[in-house]
Amino acid sequence: EAQVTQNPRYLITVTGKKLTVTCSQNMNHEYMSWYRQDPGLGLRQIYYSMNVEVTDKGDVPEGYKVSRKEKRNFPLILESPSPNQTSLYFCASSLMAGAGNTIYFGEGSWLTVV
Amino acid sequence: DAKTTQPNSMESNEEEPVHLPCNHSTISGTDYIHWYRQLPSQGPEYVIHGLTSNVNNRMASLAIAEDRKSSTLILHRATLRDAAVYYCILSQGGSEKLVFGKGTKLTVNP
Repeated sequence: EAQVTQNPRYLITVTGKKLTVTCSQNMNHEYMSWYRQDPGLGLRQIYYSMNVEVTDKGDVPEGYKVSRKEKRNFPLILESPSPNQTSLYFCASSLMAGAGNTIYFGEGSWLTVV
Repeated sequence: DAKTTQPNSMESNEEEPVHLPCNHSTISGTDYIHWYRQLPSQGPEYVIHGLTSNVNNRMASLAIAEDRKSSTLILHRATLRDAAVYYCILSQGGSEKLVFGKGTKLTVNP
């Protein structure tokens, strides 16, 4: 079954404590991305990756890092989380970007920073 | 970046057709138009996409204006399970960025 798997699904953490949200896809997709969703703002892209070792900023990259060492994994790293990063995060993947390909989303990770 | 504009909310009755509009007046020639929907507490799921011609699939139809500056998602017979937020998205050729609209919250009345 085609899947995008995120972990953890729910996390409460404290300001400044580094955390990583993992994302894995089993479809051999080249393109992966991270979004955050906040009330009234819809989904906003944080970072995206065209392929292994190729990443670029989306619309709201501040405070986040990503890496793409393997094709299937695209972790989102918060080096020093702050309360304004409390949000619902989605990982997504598609065969390629910008070519009318279907995007598959994970189930979401609820992150609370206190 | 090309943006999309959608109404904040729409309401429909069960088993009636629903037309969800999206404006994308700055769309470029290589941008695909995608529609996704998001049910409560779930990730967005694919509905339909197109480039220039109208498209049909088992879930919905997509009508694209001749000048491509607007499109309409058509649900032929709304069900209670279609109640969701519907996003109109442009996938931009070249920049590889996905631009989400704010979405339309569809309420389906029994």
